[in-house]
Amino acid sequence: EIVMTQSPATLSVSPGERATLSCRASQSVSSNLAWYQQKPGQAPRLLIYGASTRATGIPARFSGSGSGTEFTLTISSLQSEDFAVYYCQQYNNWPPTTFGQGTKLEIK
Amino acid sequence: EVQLVESGGGLVQPGGSLRLSCAASGFTFSSYSMNWVRQAPGKGLEWVSYISSSSSTIYYADSVKGRFTISRDNAKNSLYLQMNSLRDEDTAVYYCARVSSTAMVTLWGQGTLVTVSS
Repeated sequence: EIVMTQSPATLSVSPGERATLSCRASQSVSSNLAWYQQKPGQAPRLLIYGASTRATGIPARFSGSGSGTEFTLTISSLQSEDFAVYYCQQYNNWPPTTFGQGTKLEIK
Repeated sequence: EVQLVESGGGLVQPGGSLRLSCAASGFTFSSYSMNWVRQAPGKGLEWVSYISSSSSTIYYADSVKGRFTISRDNAKNSLYLQMNSLRDEDTAVYYCARVSSTAMVTLWGQGTLVTVSS
């Protein structure tokens, strides 16, 4: 089973600033990596797939990069609605598909 | 509207059973593979089970193998999860999820809460 490790666990950033979230895989997952956003009391929402492709309707301030074992989600200028928990997921070697433990992005 | 709506959650005693349902609408359900994904209170996401569009391929997480059964009825646009021998650690919100040809989730339901407690 591939273990996904996200860092940091909590990230405090001011609105308008840039946020950089990391995700590391225990072995290569090629570019088969997705990012999801989850707000309190809501289901997750797909943001990025294929490590760098934005899902339909996702604003351009969200970008993904990386391949192999190291991945990054960048939010270029944080808006109030972006404060949430973010999860990465590998779907290269499955079953099982595995998720990271999440990064909570909070207002500084 | 494209959506997934889960139902069937509730309070059950350890060792008991529960059947979750997921109603799909707004898209061609029979063309998509589906997952169940769960989230324990205050915790992260855990994949539970996968079923292909024709039900020909089914997978389970080790944590539920032998206790849970996934199924679907394409004529009724519905996905199911039969959960037997429930344990305290099965307490979670269970999400029905539409997936791509891989296991990437492209659409999530709103979730249904299952609480296993005596």
